[in-house]
Amino acid sequence: GAGVSQSPSNKVTEKGKDVELRCDPISGHTALYWYRQRLGQGLEFLIYFQGNSAPDKSGLPSDRFSAERTGESVSTLTIQRTQQEDSAVYLCASSSPSNSYEQYFGPGTRLTVT
Amino acid sequence: RKEVEQDPGPFNVPEGATVAFNCTYSNSASQSFFWYRQDCRKEPKLLMSVYSSGNEDGRFTAQLNRASQYISLLIRDSKLSDSATYLCVVNRGGYSGGGADGLTFGKGTHLIIQP
Repeated sequence: GAGVSQSPSNKVTEKGKDVELRCDPISGHTALYWYRQRLGQGLEFLIYFQGNSAPDKSGLPSDRFSAERTGESVSTLTIQRTQQEDSAVYLCASSSPSNSYEQYFGPGTRLTVT
Repeated sequence: RKEVEQDPGPFNVPEGATVAFNCTYSNSASQSFFWYRQDCRKEPKLLMSVYSSGNEDGRFTAQLNRASQYISLLIRDSKLSDSATYLCVVNRGGYSGGGADGLTFGKGTHLIIQP
């Protein structure tokens, strides 16, 4: 079946602009996660959704970052007034209710802020 | 102490050799442990879960030592295709949100299998 998809695959934006990243989880996966991975670094947890509620927003680095999810479907991560330190790969993952620890990752969106 | 700590490597290992690496975690309340694999410029993928009694999947063996709070991964008869970064993953344990939201990823150990 279809895996997690993300769009765009690459995004180059100027400092100060807003960007919106999209994630389509695997159908039936109720949990959805956003992570950030800077070059050569580990995964940094950003936010978790269970359905369309976000019980854990603890990883969002600043109020410039926000995310929403429609039902148990698409999620968007929005970064306002982008800064150069926002440059990273943004990874989305989803997991099923029956096996919540096995997270399936999308290919990521590579964001470059110039 | 970092939540999940791994030797970043790289480990340069000849093809066919056995290689092992460890990961330590700081949260004694953690209950679930995993190894994920990440290929260069690709997304992470679950390699195997780690059970208290230790478990094996083909050439891969994972073990957990709760007393010392570390987990290990051993790869036997290594293949060129095993070259990747191996991520140690631990659930945060005791987190009020429950299990699904509480994974902490280590920064990974980079493994290079040489022909």
